[in-house]
Amino acid sequence: IQLTQSPSSLSASVGDRVTITCRASQSINTYLNWYQQKPGKAPKVLIYTASNLQSGVPSRFSGSGSGTEFTLTISSLQPEDFATYHCQQTYTFWTFGQGTKVEIK
Amino acid sequence: EVQLVESGGGLVQPGGSLRLSCAASGFSFSAYWMTWVRQAPGKGLEWVANIKQDGSEKYYVDSVKGRFTISRDNAENSLYLRMDSLRAEDTAVYYCARCPYSILTHYYIDFWGQGTLVTVSS
Repeated sequence: IQLTQSPSSLSASVGDRVTITCRASQSINTYLNWYQQKPGKAPKVLIYTASNLQSGVPSRFSGSGSGTEFTLTISSLQPEDFATYHCQQTYTFWTFGQGTKVEIK
Repeated sequence: EVQLVESGGGLVQPGGSLRLSCAASGFSFSAYWMTWVRQAPGKGLEWVANIKQDGSEKYYVDSVKGRFTISRDNAENSLYLRMDSLRAEDTAVYYCARCPYSILTHYYIDFWGQGTLVTVSS
């Protein structure tokens, strides 16, 4: 199963609403997770099973979708949110998307 | 506090072997699926292998099948990745990670180690 994230990168300002899309090559139910990764660090889970917010993650992060199309939304971008975001499917033989880099405008 | 500490990375020649270790602490290691995920320099994440709590099920990405072996020692709270016939394209940071599982939430990774760099080059 292939995951395609769009866009591959984006520039945004603090306070902006940001949406990242992850499309699967076949239906994966809701078995889709989102991670944030900062340079030189391990990834950190934000959302699991499409829409469940991991404990300790700010509520400005949200996820939605099922089947083949999923979105990660940051309602009001904060300085600490500039990072790369990865989606991951665990429906069968796990795969990750190619990543979306969120940069400062 | 949950901790996962990888070791064993380094420089190895093409065709060589390496064994990565991951020492787990701060949680009941034997209760969790565990996984290895790698990231080539400047690239995205790639799942490598999973192992069930008791080691009875193991899964691998196609590109490492027959060359890599995942294993665990629950008595020692340790996860391993034996890597044989290494290729240049195996060069990456290798992360050990914990995977909660339930029927409702399915799998996801909730804790990652800091990673260990494997460089395959002559």
